[in-house]
Amino acid sequence: QLQLQESGPGLVKTSETLSLTCTVSGGSISSRGYYWAWIRQPPGKGLEWIATIYHSGSTYYTPSLKSRVTISVDTPKNQFSLKLTSVTAGDTAVYHCARQVVSSTFWYFDVWGRGTLVSVSS
Amino acid sequence: QSVLTQPPSVSGAPGQRVTISCTGSSSNIGAGYDVHWYQQLPGTTPKLLIYVNSNRPSGVPDRFAGSKSGTSASLAISGLQAEDEADYYCQSYDSSLSGSVFGGGTKLTVL
Repeated sequence: QLQLQESGPGLVKTSETLSLTCTVSGGSISSRGYYWAWIRQPPGKGLEWIATIYHSGSTYYTPSLKSRVTISVDTPKNQFSLKLTSVTAGDTAVYHCARQVVSSTFWYFDVWGRGTLVSVSS
Repeated sequence: QSVLTQPPSVSGAPGQRVTISCTGSSSNIGAGYDVHWYQQLPGTTPKLLIYVNSNRPSGVPDRFAGSKSGTSASLAISGLQAEDEADYYCQSYDSSLSGSVFGGGTKLTVL
């Protein structure tokens, strides 16, 4: 059974860089046809897609965060990571990693990690 | 302001049927991109409920049904149960943004 687990600091200072890692177990991150994504949810608010990566290295970013976000993959470790620079209080959220299914007419997220709360404070 | 528009809340009594709408535009649902629905029970992780407009993952009861028409989609929940009380999100792909978009979410209250 595929499982995803987020890890990283729960508190980041304003203007610094948020770094998170998602460890995939029960399956290979190099599985053909599956992509890997980060999604966040500010406290009490809705879901926001942040970024997606394929094991080959192809990346996709939400336009509003593109200048501050980097997603990367480490296939030997079966992990993928997120870096978000110059954080502000507005970046406080639960960050989820997820497996993404992609075709010409759809993107959807079929397996989710439990999420990790990252708070930004001075 | 979410790209996909959902009502903030809906409610219904046990056993009743409710629907949740998801309105998009010509760059997402109206462009032919499929719609997916997620259920987030209180304090838990979102769970895929409906994929590619009307398909249910294994384990999802057939009380949940999705449909899509034009620039909109709907999630219907029949035979409402107390455990259906949750937040529901629609999601699709947007060609203008070249990525995924979510609705703002709808809180379902079972009266």
